[in-house]
Amino acid sequence: DAGVIQSPRHEVTEMGQEVTLRCKPISGHNSLFWYRQTMMRGLELLIYFNNNVPIDDSGMPEDRFSAKMPNASFSTLKIQPSEPRDSAVYFCASRDSPNTGELFFGEGSRLTVL
Amino acid sequence: AQSVTQLDSQVPVFEEAPVELRCNYSSSVSVYLFWYVQYPNQGLQLLLKYLSGSTLVKGINGFEAEFNKSQTSFHLRKPSVHISDTAEYFCAVSESGGTSYGKLTFGQGTILTVHP
Repeated sequence: DAGVIQSPRHEVTEMGQEVTLRCKPISGHNSLFWYRQTMMRGLELLIYFNNNVPIDDSGMPEDRFSAKMPNASFSTLKIQPSEPRDSAVYFCASRDSPNTGELFFGEGSRLTVL
Repeated sequence: AQSVTQLDSQVPVFEEAPVELRCNYSSSVSVYLFWYVQYPNQGLQLLLKYLSGSTLVKGINGFEAEFNKSQTSFHLRKPSVHISDTAEYFCAVSESGGTSYGKLTFGQGTILTVHP
């Protein structure tokens, strides 16, 4: 199995630009999570989906952030407009059972906003 | 709402010494507990998990953890560490029911550094 696939692995952009991060979960997994990791705030849950439906987006920082899951095999996290404080590593993770299963993480997308 | 506190941000230890990484959680309902490890420039990997039953849980790479409900703790231990155990370790909690069902919350992480 290919695991959770994230793209791009690295992105450098300028303040004000739109950023789109992509995630392909493991086939058959029905829950998908987006996390953000920074030195100051650690690993923060942004949003998670069950069966393509957003369940909890209380961690999304503000309206500049949006996430979609149009089908079971694809999700996006969009930041528009981006700001320097959005610089972080963004992780996507998936699992195949609602609560007790192992969460499988992608390798992350490192975002730098200048 | 659930929360996790990892009591040590950094733990230095010498090779072959024992180590304990501390984790406390808070929740109003029953929980499931997890420990994950993150090596540099990688995603997180599951070390072990507690769902129910025996409070002593064994995981990969010789790690184990003990669930203590009265102290709301889930400390991670290893009797003899190796250089290759150097990594960041995260404790995580998921509620077994309630409005936060399915939500996995991580602690701030503990950086374990094993010195030769």
